[in-house]
Amino acid sequence: QVQLVESGGGVVQPGMSLRLSCAASGFTFSSYGMHWARQAPGKGLEWVALIWYDGSNTYYADSVKGRFTISRDNSKSTLDLQMNSLRVEDTAVYYCARDLGAAAAHPGWFDPWGQGTLVTVSS
Amino acid sequence: EIVLTQYPATLSLSPGESATLSCRASHSVSRSLAWYQQKPGQAPRFLIFDASNRATGTPARFSGSGSGTDFTLTISSLEPEDFAVYYCQHRSSWPPTFGGGTKVEIK
Repeated sequence: QVQLVESGGGVVQPGMSLRLSCAASGFTFSSYGMHWARQAPGKGLEWVALIWYDGSNTYYADSVKGRFTISRDNSKSTLDLQMNSLRVEDTAVYYCARDLGAAAAHPGWFDPWGQGTLVTVSS
Repeated sequence: EIVLTQYPATLSLSPGESATLSCRASHSVSRSLAWYQQKPGQAPRFLIFDASNRATGTPARFSGSGSGTDFTLTISSLEPEDFAVYYCQHRSSWPPTFGGGTKVEIK
C-alpha cells in the first residue's frame, strides 16, 4: 500500500538549519508531485511547499519562501525539505503528502499523508 | 490568498446523530474544495474532493455539497470513529489553504 515516512525532525535553535526527509513506497513516486505541509501544536494545517513529479517546478508558501527548499530524488523515491534560518514560529509537525492533480494554474489535493515529524525551534 | 472559514468551531453530538459542518471561502473556489478528517495523534485523511466526490474508502455516510463560496460536509449518522477534527481545503489558486477546522466531539 502507499506509504510515506518522514524523518529528520528534532530540536534546533533559532537561526539554525534542519533537513527533513520523506521515504515513499507503494506507488510510482516519479509520477506524482509531492507536498510538505505543517501543523503547529494545537493549530490547523498549513501548506508549505510543492514539487512537481519531475522536479521541474516548485512552489512555496510566503512564510517559508527564501528559507526552505523542497527537492526530490526519484531514483530513491525520497522527498526532502531543507529548512534554513529557522524561526520559533516554524515549530510544527511536518507532513509529506502525495499530490493529486496540481497544475501550473492551481495546486492539488493531498493524499495520502505521512505520519509526520516534529520540528521544535527553541532557544 | 483565499481564506477558508469553518463553522462551528466545535460540534457536540451523540452517536447516531447527523452532523453538518460548514466552510466558507473569501472568494469563489468554484467546486475546488476538499475535506479531510484528522484524529488525535494521526495524520489527516482525504475524505471528499471537488466538493462532493468521495475519495476511495470514504464511507457513504459522508457527503459534501456546495459551490462558489459556501460548502457543507454532512455525516448522516455519526459512528464512534467519526469523532475527529475536519478541515476543508481549496485548490482554486495558489497557495492552497485550509480552514481552521471543526471539531466533532461526543456529547
